[in-house]
Amino acid sequence: DVKVTQSSRYLVKRTGEKVFLECVQDMDHENMFWYRQDPGLGLRLIYFSYDVKMKEKGDIPEGYSVSREKKERFSLILESASTNQTSMYLCASRLPGQGGSGANVLTFGAGSRLTVL
Amino acid sequence: ELKVEQNPLFLSMQEGKNYTIYCNYSTTSDRLYWYRQDPGKSLESLFVLLSNGAVKQEGRLMASLDTKARLSTLHITAAVHDLSATYFCAVTYKFYFGSGTKLNVKP
Repeated sequence: DVKVTQSSRYLVKRTGEKVFLECVQDMDHENMFWYRQDPGLGLRLIYFSYDVKMKEKGDIPEGYSVSREKKERFSLILESASTNQTSMYLCASRLPGQGGSGANVLTFGAGSRLTVL
Repeated sequence: ELKVEQNPLFLSMQEGKNYTIYCNYSTTSDRLYWYRQDPGKSLESLFVLLSNGAVKQEGRLMASLDTKARLSTLHITAAVHDLSATYFCAVTYKFYFGSGTKLNVKP
């Protein structure tokens, strides 16, 4: 089974701190995603990476940046954390391409719950 | 702006009843996904629908896709308590998600 591992399940940070959320997948997937999940808003795409050093903004990239130096690792960076970034952050990965019930679904990590005080 | 709208947002139903969750989306998409999330857990894939008219079924859940209407449905037949969860649909290769439908099946 594909594993997507998020390094921290729970984090508490202070306003203005720089925050790194790490995500590692072990199945050589090209595509990786970062979402935030808030009650009533579902999952909102922050950034998407379709390969190493390639990234695309999602719906809500403001206040975030990402890094993908190696295929297996996709990092989400909050340059200066703010209270409105308190949320659950979900990382996911997948193989790209068409067809097949398994080839192109997202596999999610367990999530990182970030609280910014 | 791409919109993915699910309704209802909350659904409380009795065991044994049938119901349908709707997913409307505002852009062209050649694929639609359904996911399930249990409380405190991450999302797991239920169905992938890849063409107009596609229908997939597993157990008491059946999903269908009408790309012309930009509509997918998730039909629940004879609900059981174990189906209580939040269900999400998602579209396009970038996986834009709806806001979810929280289903509570009462025993």
